[in-house]
Amino acid sequence: NAGVTQTPKFRILKIGQSMTLQCTQDMNHNYMYWYRQDPGMGLKLIYYSVGAGITDKGEVPNGYNVSRSTTEDFPLRLELAAPSQTSVYFCASSYLGRDYEQYFGPGTRLTVT
Amino acid sequence: GESVGLHLPTLSVQEGDNSIINCAYSNSASDYFIWYKQESGKGPQFIIDIRSNMDKRQGQRVTVLLNKTVKHLSLQIAATQPGDSAVYFCAENRGGADGLTFGKGTHLIIQP
Repeated sequence: NAGVTQTPKFRILKIGQSMTLQCTQDMNHNYMYWYRQDPGMGLKLIYYSVGAGITDKGEVPNGYNVSRSTTEDFPLRLELAAPSQTSVYFCASSYLGRDYEQYFGPGTRLTVT
Repeated sequence: GESVGLHLPTLSVQEGDNSIINCAYSNSASDYFIWYKQESGKGPQFIIDIRSNMDKRQGQRVTVLLNKTVKHLSLQIAATQPGDSAVYFCAENRGGADGLTFGKGTHLIIQP
């Protein structure tokens, strides 16, 4: 299994541009998550999903959108990028009932200038 | 504000010694407490969890202790190896599928 894969690895955006961060997992996990990690900090939850067609806001959802049309994919959309969205973004997934044990992707490093 | 935090940002230990990484939490309602390891340039990796009704749990070379009286969590790593060098995060899960709350992390440095 490839686990959780994320693309792209790096991206530079100009202020006001939009982009989609891709996330795919091949472990048939029900739950998927998006976190952001600012330098020297822990991770903060942006959005999560408990299954296809169901998404919910986390701690820091403003400026982001998600969709979950399949079990495998959980893309994160940034509209009107701002410098405050410069961060490393991690996608994660977990089994039903074991949401404390999450499997993380390698991350996408995003810079907004 | 954050409900999970760490006492020390950096911990330096000699190879072969035991490491103890500490964490304070404030949410007594959390169901699980978890330790994650993050190596440079990678995503966090699950190490071990402990449920709120337990005091101690052991894994391979790691032990997690939970003291609910003082709301303190610790991770002990036995016979620290160079591969243990990483940032360690404590996190809490409040019993639902609504993700984890992470602390800021402790950078464990292994001295040869």
